[in-house]
Amino acid sequence: DGGITQSPKYLFRKEGQNVTLSCEQNLNHDAMYWYRQDPGQGLRLIYYSQIVNDFQKGDIAEGYSVSREKKESFPLTVTSAQKNPTAFYLCASSDDTPEQYFGPGTRLTVT
Amino acid sequence: GENVEQHPSTLSVQEGDSAVIKCTYSDSASNYFPWYKQELGKRPQLIIDIRSNVGEKKDQRIAVTLNKTAKHFSLHITETQPEDSAVYFCAASRRATDSWGKLQFGAGTQVVVTP
Repeated sequence: DGGITQSPKYLFRKEGQNVTLSCEQNLNHDAMYWYRQDPGQGLRLIYYSQIVNDFQKGDIAEGYSVSREKKESFPLTVTSAQKNPTAFYLCASSDDTPEQYFGPGTRLTVT
Repeated sequence: GENVEQHPSTLSVQEGDSAVIKCTYSDSASNYFPWYKQELGKRPQLIIDIRSNVGEKKDQRIAVTLNKTAKHFSLHITETQPEDSAVYFCAASRRATDSWGKLQFGAGTQVVVTP
């Protein structure tokens, strides 16, 4: 299960606050991804990065921001502009193959 | 863009019986089709995948079949056991010029195996 870590496992925030979710990998993977998972739905791509200092919007990027300053780190910020931020957030990484490997996830609750 | 549909959304089977989950995709250029298993509260785990140059792949009790003409692929679990109970996701992606494209996921199938 090692290789990709996410912290914290559970996160609680008040509405209107920005919050940053951590994702770190020691697999030397070039590509990293952020997904959002809601009950009864599949994984939806928020942002992805195929190389350091470069990233692209996924299908649901509004209200989120990312940075990729280091190969091993890809933090996600959930801003106050995200209308429904409560969800399970999953980070994944891959090398030059299509297989993606997931971190353990962060469950964010905003009240 | 790619659209992946997955059926059924829930599947109840008796222990020992087989389970089949089907997915269809829209982009004929898609050429990689993984299946992930997600237990409650855990991360999705890749359990099997298939590329478009083969029609079937097996790994012990699980198998995946691909019909490129019809643009659908299926997961087959034989001799189901209670530990097979989980949510299963299919996905599809295609190779771009110099990298692999995004994975597009189906909505998931909740599989319940009853003893």
